[in-house]
Amino acid sequence: SQTIHQWPATLVQPVGSPLSLECTVEGTSNPNLYWYRQAAGRGLQLLFYSVGIGQISSEVPQNLSASRPQDRQFILSSKKLLLSDSGFYLCAWRTGEWEKLFFGSGTQLSVL
Amino acid sequence: EDQVTQSPEALRLQEGESSSLNCSYTVSGLRGLFWYRQDPGKGPEFLFTLYSAGEEKEKERLKATLTKKESFLHITAPKPEDSATYLCAVQADDYKLSFGAGTTVTVRA
Repeated sequence: SQTIHQWPATLVQPVGSPLSLECTVEGTSNPNLYWYRQAAGRGLQLLFYSVGIGQISSEVPQNLSASRPQDRQFILSSKKLLLSDSGFYLCAWRTGEWEKLFFGSGTQLSVL
Repeated sequence: EDQVTQSPEALRLQEGESSSLNCSYTVSGLRGLFWYRQDPGKGPEFLFTLYSAGEEKEKERLKATLTKKESFLHITAPKPEDSATYLCAVQADDYKLSFGAGTTVTVRA
């Protein structure tokens, strides 16, 4: 069966520090991969999605970036975190563009 | 722009007190409507997909229905373990999912 792993679960970082969040999917090939951010009381905001290795689409201009170095690995990065980057970050995957999403367990990021 | 509005924002129920959550949407070319359950500090968990008006899906005490402009999630005789935030998402022709802000349900024993 397919599983998605996302880590770390919690992260506290100072302003201006770098960020790297990792997500891996097991049990499937060539998944569509997504990074979302969830703010309290608001809907999930799509940040990046990828339909294949090295293919990244950005939905929101920001100081975050994403990479997909392997088929089932998706990484969210920042060179310098801002206070506004705080939030709950979710990785997700699906088999195709019309299918349901499966989410990871999330990373609570606090930038202080 | 696709819009998804969920109401109410919060719902407090007594155990056994049935109720409904609403998800209204405006989208050009609905390809699917999804319901998710999210527990605090966790990722959303998939519940249902609805594709066309009139469609219904059931799972235990939950039943989801779809019309041309909204979807309802009915909770029948809820139990404390049904306490969670319920998210609605719609998918349009551009394959992007638009999520609502969610309804937080609290069921008291």
